[in-house]
Amino acid sequence: DSGVTQTPKHLITATGQRVTLRCSPRSGDLSVYWYQQSLDQGLQFLIQYYNGEERAKGNILERFSAQQFPDLHSELNLSSLELGDSALYFCASSVAPGQSNEKLFFGSGTQLSVL
Amino acid sequence: DAKTTQPNSMESNEEEPVHLPCNHSTISGTDYIHWYRQLPSQGPEYVIHGLTSNVNNRMASLAIAEDRKSSTLILHRATLRDAAVYYCILRDVGSGGSNYKLTFGKGTLLTVNP
Repeated sequence: DSGVTQTPKHLITATGQRVTLRCSPRSGDLSVYWYQQSLDQGLQFLIQYYNGEERAKGNILERFSAQQFPDLHSELNLSSLELGDSALYFCASSVAPGQSNEKLFFGSGTQLSVL
Repeated sequence: DAKTTQPNSMESNEEEPVHLPCNHSTISGTDYIHWYRQLPSQGPEYVIHGLTSNVNNRMASLAIAEDRKSSTLILHRATLRDAAVYYCILRDVGSGGSNYKLTFGKGTLLTVNP
């Protein structure tokens, strides 16, 4: 158990809908990362927050947004969903804001299926 | 992040050592070498990391070439539970400390035969 909690584990929805994925980092970790994993693209970095502020952005679509709350949990909002958004979404956390030798701890993911 | 090259797949027998290679010829002096693994239906899991010297922990050993252009993850006695995709990643915070993400490649799929 990595200590990172993601909910829900599975989500089935329809095209055009909006969903929210939730992540609770390990106790004491201030940094949260979101990744998307699909069969053809592998693990893709989406966005990172540190102590409530956005720190880095990857290949995140404009239809997607995220935030980190004062209690340090994070939410990833996906809107106007398309079939291609079906993927595993992972959250990871770490203590430090991106030092070269830091370790990331990943949750078990949310499997999103868009029908 | 600088690029790494890994074999697509490797096979091992249970209780035998496994050496997973990684080439990173464009590594810079401040890049750390990280290894993560992803077991089936799970999120990636940290394995080990190093900068210049060889490193050991309870999961594995990391052997880093003297010129740092390659490294090898060593699992001393493979078990069925070690079957996973292993990712070799170079990480540097970059200029101004703005490069925070871990960039995953395709990794090496390790199969462990009983």
